[in-house]
Amino acid sequence: DTAVSQTPKYLVTQMGNDKSIKCEQNLGHDTMYWYKQDSKKFLKIMFSYNNKELIINETVPNRFSPKSPDKAHLNLHINSLELGDSAVYFCASSQVVSAVTDTQYFGPGTRLTVL
Amino acid sequence: GQNIDQPTEMTATEGAIVQINCTYQTSGFNGLFWYQQHAGEAPTFLSYNVLDGLEEKGRFSSFLSRSKGYSYLLLKELQMKDSASYLCAAMDSNYQLIWGAGTKLIIKP
Repeated sequence: DTAVSQTPKYLVTQMGNDKSIKCEQNLGHDTMYWYKQDSKKFLKIMFSYNNKELIINETVPNRFSPKSPDKAHLNLHINSLELGDSAVYFCASSQVVSAVTDTQYFGPGTRLTVL
Repeated sequence: GQNIDQPTEMTATEGAIVQINCTYQTSGFNGLFWYQQHAGEAPTFLSYNVLDGLEEKGRFSSFLSRSKGYSYLLLKELQMKDSASYLCAAMDSNYQLIWGAGTKLIIKP
């Protein structure tokens, strides 16, 4: 069984379009994340979300918005796509319990190409 | 500011030992993670250190010195499949991971 899954794996679209990437985790974790990994392979946190709090990286444009229909899903919506949005987007999840931190489990990634 | 530094690329020989260093500066500290990422794949968890010292897990070991803001990942008996990027990440006081850019490890026969 896949722990963290994302769809689609590849997404090619035109500038100006609106698109969504879906993420689901079956680990029972409370916290989910979205990361952007650019061509230089640097992982940048975009959002972290649990059932209590959404933490947004202030450098993320408001064209990006997370949507969580339930604890197991955190989808990423992107409006008015730009060329610079081309990257690999990773979803991840973890269970943070008290002061004990758990590892983050990553989805397979979605390679977004904006033409 | 928060920052993670690790070398961009390293080369080693199959069967040898390699040490990948990482220095970090974070607002608060809740542990240091190492992840492995093969080209085109997702990062996968290797190790977690929150106390000073060495944690050994098979061929891989990870070391942490909190006073120095320093960690290293030690890989022994290198195999060709160990060719990958190794990502260092420190968790800050808000339990957010601050990621390094990764060290690309190239293994030669």
